Amino acid sequence: DAGVIQSPRHEVTEMGQEVTLRCKPISGHNSLFWYRQTMMRGLELLIYFNNNVPIDDSGMPEDRFSAKMPNASFSTLKIQPSEPRDSAVYFCASSSLTIGQPQHFGDGTRLSIL
Amino acid sequence: GDSVTQMEGPVTLSEEAFLTINCTYTATGYPSLFWYVQYPGEGLQLLLKATKADDKGSNKGFEATYRKETTSFHLEKGSVQVSDSAVYFCALSDLNYGQNFVFGPGTRLSVLP
Repeated sequence: DAGVIQSPRHEVTEMGQEVTLRCKPISGHNSLFWYRQTMMRGLELLIYFNNNVPIDDSGMPEDRFSAKMPNASFSTLKIQPSEPRDSAVYFCASSSLTIGQPQHFGDGTRLSIL
Repeated sequence: GDSVTQMEGPVTLSEEAFLTINCTYTATGYPSLFWYVQYPGEGLQLLLKATKADDKGSNKGFEATYRKETTSFHLEKGSVQVSDSAVYFCALSDLNYGQNFVFGPGTRLSVLP
């Protein structure tokens, strides 16, 4: 079975540009999570969705960040405008809303803002 | 809210040494517990899990036992290899109390030949 698919794998862009990260969760999973990982701050939960509805976005750093999940098989994380401090690895993960079931992570998007 | 505490490391061991990475948790309810591993340049992968007290999760020579009385889920391996060098994350999930996944800060393990 295909795992969580993220695109692009790498993104390099200049500050001020809009960045869109994409995620396709595992089919049948109904929870989706966006994380950011840096050396300084470790793994941070940005937002998660249950059944396509945002449940907790308290981890979204500021209004420049937005996330959508228009259907069960696709989600985006957008940064506009981007800043150098947004440079990080962004992970998407999915799971089923079932007790004891783990999260499954994608390979991440390595974002560099120049 | 729920939380996970683990030794932050880094932990440096020689090949074939015994490994223990401590993990303790606080939770309102009765969580499921997980260990994830992250190899350089990759995402987090599930290593093992346990869903009730005294359950032992195991995989690739790693083991962890769900200890409800001490609220712990320590990761152990009898003989580590260079290929085990990675970052290890302890995590919990408690859907009964509306608590989705909570991760510890991760422990970096380096195994020297």
